[in-house]
Amino acid sequence: GQNIDQPTEMTATEGAIVQINCTYQTSGFNGLFWYQQHAGEAPTFLSYNVLDGLEEKGRFSSFLSRSKGYSYLLLKELQMKDSASYLCAVISDDYKLSFGAGTTVTVRA
Amino acid sequence: IAGITQAPTSQILAAGRRMTLRCTQDMRHNAMYWYRQDLGLGLRLIHYSNTAGTTGKGEVPDGYSVSRANTDDFPLTLASAVPSQTSVYFCASSDRAGTDTQYFGPGTRLTVL
Repeated sequence: GQNIDQPTEMTATEGAIVQINCTYQTSGFNGLFWYQQHAGEAPTFLSYNVLDGLEEKGRFSSFLSRSKGYSYLLLKELQMKDSASYLCAVISDDYKLSFGAGTTVTVRA
Repeated sequence: IAGITQAPTSQILAAGRRMTLRCTQDMRHNAMYWYRQDLGLGLRLIHYSNTAGTTGKGEVPDGYSVSRANTDDFPLTLASAVPSQTSVYFCASSDRAGTDTQYFGPGTRLTVL
């Protein structure tokens, strides 16, 4: 099976930066997704990385190192609305998406 | 454009009953998926369909069946519900199977007593 690990919970202050790490051990690799999920809602797409390096999209950035089986999602200038779960998901060699359990981020005033 | 819709929003079901969760998308996506989400376990793939007329088993298919008669609809059926099937069920779709981004419906919260 696929193994995708991310911290369960993180807390940060409004305006700060938070980095959510994701490590994976999968049978093959065809890309990594980050999704945001607010409580009681559907996951929504944030980013996709397939090559090594940093992808920046506004306040959110995602980094990938394929050789290390590692990614992180960086949230800058945190806002209260960023309180949510962040899901790391990997496409393995069977082209199926496997998800980590998610990291719940709480932003405090 | 609604994207993906799911019905019902929530349901309480007696064990042993048959239940069909509905999923419809209007994006003309080829691929569709069913996941269940349980606390601490993340999203797990139940069944998928790469294109209309084809279906496949995911990580946790036992107790579930699907059909894909057309592009838009992808119903999930529990033939005889059991309490362990209590979960939140999400339908998703992508333009093509493989690496295309998956877009999720609002979910169905199912409780089996």
